[in-house]
Amino acid sequence: NAGVTQTPKFRVLKTGQSMTLLCAQDMNHEYMYWYRQDPGMGLRLIHYSVGEGTTAKGEVPDGYNVSRLKKQNFLLGLESAAPSQTSVYFCASSVAGGPREQYFGPGTRLTVT
Amino acid sequence: LAKTTQPISMDSYEGQEVNITCSHNNIATNDYITWYQQFPSQGPRFIIQGYKTKVTNEVASLFIPADRKSSTLSLPRVSLSDTAVYYCLVKNSGGGADGLTFGKGTHLIIQP
Repeated sequence: NAGVTQTPKFRVLKTGQSMTLLCAQDMNHEYMYWYRQDPGMGLRLIHYSVGEGTTAKGEVPDGYNVSRLKKQNFLLGLESAAPSQTSVYFCASSVAGGPREQYFGPGTRLTVT
Repeated sequence: LAKTTQPISMDSYEGQEVNITCSHNNIATNDYITWYQQFPSQGPRFIIQGYKTKVTNEVASLFIPADRKSSTLSLPRVSLSDTAVYYCLVKNSGGGADGLTFGKGTHLIIQP
């Protein structure tokens, strides 16, 4: 039982490049979330999903897209990376929605130059 | 979105009880308050959740007053390994999951 895994762990992009971050969970959770964490800002919700085939915007969705084609996977895409998207990205999943117990992945450290 | 407010940092010593308070004035009326612990270069880890009054598990207690506009995480007899950042998570009223708001975290430093 791996819990929540994220791929890749580190990435460096040039401004304007695109990439996809993959989150996978093996706990059969309905809810999945993408957060970004910046120094002094805590965690901010980017997008979330309440089930397979659904996605919704969080607090800071601009510049990101997501897809949840399979229940166990939640993908976060950056179509045209900007230096402001330099951050640590965390994926999480939960059985129930709202501020309930969430299981977090180890994070992806992204640098955009 | 309404803010959640936590102290930026706290210091304590091994064996002491530590209380960390989070203010959340605009919390949704029908949802939980959750606390997480985060070590450097790791994802947050769930500690405890509650709706009202007091909740206790094997690692912490959570105190929530009747108006639910704040919550206090209590760590009994802390050790050096409790040095970490602690976050509260609530949902603001009027929102769906997009109303989820983490506090900015409290950096707890435990000294010998």
